[in-house]
Amino acid sequence: DQQVKQNSPSLSVQEGRISILNCDYTNSMFDYFLWYKKYPAEGPTFLISISSIKDKNEDGRFTVFLNKSAKHLSLHIVPSQPGDSAVYFCAASPLGGAQKLVFGQGTRLTINP
Amino acid sequence: EAGVAQSPRYKIIEKRQSVAFWCNPISGHATLYWYQQILGQGPKLLIQFQNNGVVDDSQLPKDRFSAERLKGVDSTLKIQPAKLEDSAVYLCASSLGLLGNQPQHFGDGTRLSIL
Repeated sequence: DQQVKQNSPSLSVQEGRISILNCDYTNSMFDYFLWYKKYPAEGPTFLISISSIKDKNEDGRFTVFLNKSAKHLSLHIVPSQPGDSAVYFCAASPLGGAQKLVFGQGTRLTINP
Repeated sequence: EAGVAQSPRYKIIEKRQSVAFWCNPISGHATLYWYQQILGQGPKLLIQFQNNGVVDDSQLPKDRFSAERLKGVDSTLKIQPAKLEDSAVYLCASSLGLLGNQPQHFGDGTRLSIL
């Protein structure tokens, strides 16, 4: 039972344009959502998070949007840069936290010059 | 601030052998996690410690996997005996604590190959 799904295994975007990565979840008990970025042979690096009481959180070029009714979140990267090429994981934690993260399968983002 | 340290980076063993991984979390982080990441999938939580106590080990295959965090700092994860399906990257992560929404910080992992 895949509670967090990233349906696009890969995404290719031109440098300078917007990258949009999507994530869907099924468990309505999730209330904290995170995005991690992973380079080859390295561990995931925390990028940005959002609590269920918000619908948007912004940090520089990165913005996360949460649509609770649709159980959907997305990560927008504007403008996209070559260094953004990596695998991006969406993760969710249930109400009450305890930090028990459930991860999606990841989306490989490639930024083309 | 030093990150999460893991060793070894790579390990190759034959099936039915045993193996151990070590993790040193970020200083001051009370909560420590071990994840298994199989190729093409996201990390899956194996076990979660708060200081030296286990918070959640519901997804740990306890017939072959064990983990400890005796002094509430470093942790070891052991597999005995290893199976082919255990080939994966084993990631350690830490966070400040269980209260509130705290992001987890990951080490670079140990890549385990079972022959």
